Amino acid sequence: EAQVTQNPRYLITVTGKKLTVTCSQNMNHEYMSWYRQDPGLGLRQIYYSMNVEVTDKGDVPEGYKVSRKEKRNFPLILESPSPNQTSLYFCASSLGVGATYNEQFFGPGTRLTVL
Amino acid sequence: KNQVEQSPQSLIILEGKNCTLQCNYTVSPFSNLRWYKQDTGRGPVSLTIMTFSENTKSNGRYTATLDADTKQSSLHITASQLSDSASYICVVTFFSGGYNKLIFGAGTRLAVHP
Repeated sequence: EAQVTQNPRYLITVTGKKLTVTCSQNMNHEYMSWYRQDPGLGLRQIYYSMNVEVTDKGDVPEGYKVSRKEKRNFPLILESPSPNQTSLYFCASSLGVGATYNEQFFGPGTRLTVL
Repeated sequence: KNQVEQSPQSLIILEGKNCTLQCNYTVSPFSNLRWYKQDTGRGPVSLTIMTFSENTKSNGRYTATLDADTKQSSLHITASQLSDSASYICVVTFFSGGYNKLIFGAGTRLAVHP
């Protein structure tokens, strides 16, 4: 089954404790992206990756890191989480970004709480 | 500034009734517009996509319209069902710096009551 998976689905942590949220897709997609979703706001892009070893900042990259060493995986790293990073996080992938029909396939989401 | 605004923020309708959700955008240059459905606690799922030359697209009981001149889109839901209760997100793609980029609306939260 074609899908985007994220782990963990729920995470409660404390300020300053490094964490990683994993994202994996099995559709051989080139483009992957991380978003955060907060009440009353639209999905905001954190980082994206055009292909292996190619990543770039989105609209809200502060406090986050990513890596793309393999095509299928795109982990999101919070080196020193803070309470303002409490949010619902989505990973998404698509065939590419140059095509007109660039449908994004979203993962199930990770609800992160930073105390 | 590239923006996507949706209205209403939230909507309650009775099962079986129709409703229309609005999306206005100021994104340029426009590439395409997509409507997503997001069930509570789940990731968004694409409903329809329209390019500049398309002004209507249907997916079952969902019909999206696009007026590229006025930069407005609507999503019409016919004969609503309880399972239509969800957030509906309008996403506009524009071309910038050699790539297509996405702007998300804040969404309309729809509740269908029996």
